[in-house]
Amino acid sequence: TQLLEQSPQFLSIQEGENLTVYCNSSSVFSSLQWYRQEPGEGPVLLVTVVTGGEVKKLKRLTFQFGDARKDSSLHITAAQPGDTGLYLCAGFAGNNRKLIWGLGTSLAVNP
Amino acid sequence: DTGVSQNPRHKITKRGQNVTFRCDPISEHNRLYWYRQTLGQGPEFLTYFQNEAQLEKSRLLSDRFSAERPKGSFSTLEIQRTEQGDSAMYLCASSLGFAGYTFGSGTRLTVV
Repeated sequence: TQLLEQSPQFLSIQEGENLTVYCNSSSVFSSLQWYRQEPGEGPVLLVTVVTGGEVKKLKRLTFQFGDARKDSSLHITAAQPGDTGLYLCAGFAGNNRKLIWGLGTSLAVNP
Repeated sequence: DTGVSQNPRHKITKRGQNVTFRCDPISEHNRLYWYRQTLGQGPEFLTYFQNEAQLEKSRLLSDRFSAERPKGSFSTLEIQRTEQGDSAMYLCASSLGFAGYTFGSGTRLTVV
């Protein structure tokens, strides 16, 4: 059973388009994190959200944590080729002492 | 501190050989994690340490896999009698408590 469902699994868009990636669960998470991974490298932490309803912005990236802390979204405005990569959500649920990971969204931004 | 360091970056080995990977975490981080990742998938948890204690091991970690973290500093992951199915990226991460993880660049293992 995958506790964190990410959608879409794959996304290919043109430069300048907007996109949203979703991370959903039936479980409540004390915090959720978003990572971006480039080929051949480890994931890099983008943001951590901890409060239900929280919105965080990182330049053209907007992260939202659902009110019930069961879901999160990542919105990218005016995507650029440099945004290409695997976007992963991960979170701590209940008393779990290790991160639970989604399977990732592979994003390709074409020039 | 230069972040989490993993060595080697790439390893090609023949089936049946043993391999060992090393991870040097961020010095003040008390938690260290090993993950395995295949192309286009999210990381699969293998094991984690809090200081020198190995607190959890995944059922994915067969008896051919062993990890150590002597003195709570660097960690090693050894795979004995490698199989082609072991080919993957092996990632190490460290954290301080429940904060976000800092990953190394990984070790790409190819078993031929």
